[in-house]
Amino acid sequence: KAGVTQTPRYLIKTRGQQVTLSCSPISGHRSVSWYQQTPGQGLQFLFEYFSETQRNKGNFPGRFSGRQFSNSRSEMNVSTLELGDSALYLCASSFTLRGDNSPLHFGNGTRLTVT
Amino acid sequence: QKEVEQNSGPLSVPEGAIASLNCTYSDRGSQSFFWYRQYSGKSPELIMSIYSNGDKEDGRFTAQLNKASQYVSLLIRDSQPSDSATYLCAVNEGAGNMLTFGGGTRLMVKP
Repeated sequence: KAGVTQTPRYLIKTRGQQVTLSCSPISGHRSVSWYQQTPGQGLQFLFEYFSETQRNKGNFPGRFSGRQFSNSRSEMNVSTLELGDSALYLCASSFTLRGDNSPLHFGNGTRLTVT
Repeated sequence: QKEVEQNSGPLSVPEGAIASLNCTYSDRGSQSFFWYRQYSGKSPELIMSIYSNGDKEDGRFTAQLNKASQYVSLLIRDSQPSDSATYLCAVNEGAGNMLTFGGGTRLMVKP
């Protein structure tokens, strides 16, 4: 079974630009979550989608947005990039929306560098 | 603010020894607990999940949960150099699959 697939693996953008990251979950998984990982803040939850609806949202500014398609694939978008947005962005999928007995499985991540 | 605390380490153990990793959490309503392993430059990999008080064993790994003390731990028996990585404790407080992660403990297993 294929794992969570994220594209692209690496991105270099300039301040003020916007970026779109893509995630394909494990086949059959309907929940997709996004996390940001930085050396200073660690892993932080961005948002979660299930059945094309955002179910939970972390404490990030509105520049961070996402969506989920009917095939469960998800994209996240960051507008007006800032230097502090440089991070590893991780997508994770799960079979259900229930947190118990439905662990998250992470993709390889997209490394975003903002210059 | 809900928190998950881990000692950042590094925790250094000799090959073959037992490595003990600890994690405390602040939200008493937390329901699910996970340990992830992350090698440098890689994404987190699920090692163990535990949902009820007590011990759960899987191969060389044992997770221990004590909800009264708000404490979860991971024991790695017969530690190998390949176990050298950062171990992340994650807690689900009941809102979907949203996890709160600790900062991670870096484990070094010396041959």
